[in-house]
Amino acid sequence: IAGITQAPTSQILAAGRRMTLRCTQDMRHNAMYWYRQDLGLGLRLIHYSNTAGTTGKGEVPDGYSVSRANTDDFPLTLASAVPSQTSVYFCASSESPQGNPNEQFFGPGTRLTVL
Amino acid sequence: GQNIDQPTEMTATEGAIVQINCTYQTSGFNGLFWYQQHAGEAPTFLSYNVLDGLEEKGRFSSFLSRSKGYSYLLLKELQMKDSASYLCAVIDSNYQLIWGAGTKLIIKP
Repeated sequence: IAGITQAPTSQILAAGRRMTLRCTQDMRHNAMYWYRQDLGLGLRLIHYSNTAGTTGKGEVPDGYSVSRANTDDFPLTLASAVPSQTSVYFCASSESPQGNPNEQFFGPGTRLTVL
Repeated sequence: GQNIDQPTEMTATEGAIVQINCTYQTSGFNGLFWYQQHAGEAPTFLSYNVLDGLEEKGRFSSFLSRSKGYSYLLLKELQMKDSASYLCAVIDSNYQLIWGAGTKLIIKP
């Protein structure tokens, strides 16, 4: 593994089903993030984690949960999917929550369709 | 509220120069990023500005004026592979990244 991987690449899901999007990084970055990207709206932060064992809510957290049991993994769970959660989901990581320049590195994305 | 404005779409000619503007109103400022995103792919880092002035990196340059809440990305000697969306993002006082919706750049031969 080099960088950030996400799985699955794409998924079609029935409304009401539970779904976990996986994200793994091998850069030993402390901070990780989940975004959704919708046409015309840009990237919106769902949840973040500044370090293993801690998580926080972003701009659009409702309907999503995360966990950060270790440094490398940051799964995103949709407890009961709804059509409005149809989107492209990007996982990202950065060396630390702060710092200079502290750019974020992105995974390839998961395209999720909820019917 | 926090807001970042960028043009939705721009068109330019191969070999030419294009300037993509970004204006922001955020709660605090701790730096500004430009990312490039090709269709169907993840965003990739282009540049970072935290002080006023111009940062040059090859064919790409990024400018920042903190007093005006303004940045631009300048792309020179445009190539067809530069066709992509360009995302402006600002780090606010809580060290959260606030993202603009992106500017889709279309390069014509």
